Amino acid sequence: DIQMTQSPSSVSASVGDRITITCRASQGISSWLAWYQQKPGKAPKRLIFVASSLQSGVPSRFSGSRSGTDFTLTITSLQPEDFATYYCQQANSFPLTFGGGTKVEIK
Amino acid sequence: QVQLVESGGGLVEPGGSLRLSCAASGFTFSDYYMTWIRQAPGKGLEWISYISSTGKTIYYADSLKGRLTISRDNAKNSLYLQMNSLRAEDTAVYYCAGERTMFNGMDYWGQGTLVSVSS
Repeated sequence: DIQMTQSPSSVSASVGDRITITCRASQGISSWLAWYQQKPGKAPKRLIFVASSLQSGVPSRFSGSRSGTDFTLTITSLQPEDFATYYCQQANSFPLTFGGGTKVEIK
Repeated sequence: QVQLVESGGGLVEPGGSLRLSCAASGFTFSDYYMTWIRQAPGKGLEWISYISSTGKTIYYADSLKGRLTISRDNAKNSLYLQMNSLRAEDTAVYYCAGERTMFNGMDYWGQGTLVSVSS
């Protein structure tokens, strides 16, 4: 199984800050990685697919990138509605696996 | 608009069974690969099963294999998950999710249905 190691597990930030969340795959997954945002009591929502493609309707302050087996989600100029938990997911092979999540909290 | 609506969750005793359903609307269900994902209280997301658009290809998480059966009825725009021999650790919110293109992750998610396993 492919392990997805996500860091940090939590981050405290202020409105307007830039934050970066990282996921490392235990083996090559090409660019088959998605990022999701989940708010309390709600279903996850896809933000990014194929490592760097922005989901329609998602603000451009969200971006994704890849370097080998390392993947990054960046949020520039954090907004109040961005405080949530973020997950990466590898879509390369079964079993599909998720990172452990990153909770973005208000400082 | 696109909707996935899960149902069938509830309180069940250890060793019991449940059948979850997911009703799809607002998109061409038969074009989508479908997945069940669960989330234990306060925990992360766990993929548990996948079914191809035609139903011919199915995968299960190893930890649950033998206790789950995924199926779909494209004529009824519905996805199902039969869960047997339930354990306390199966307590979670169960989401159905749809994917139009392989390898892209899940486009659409339902709101989830809570399964609680307790005596």
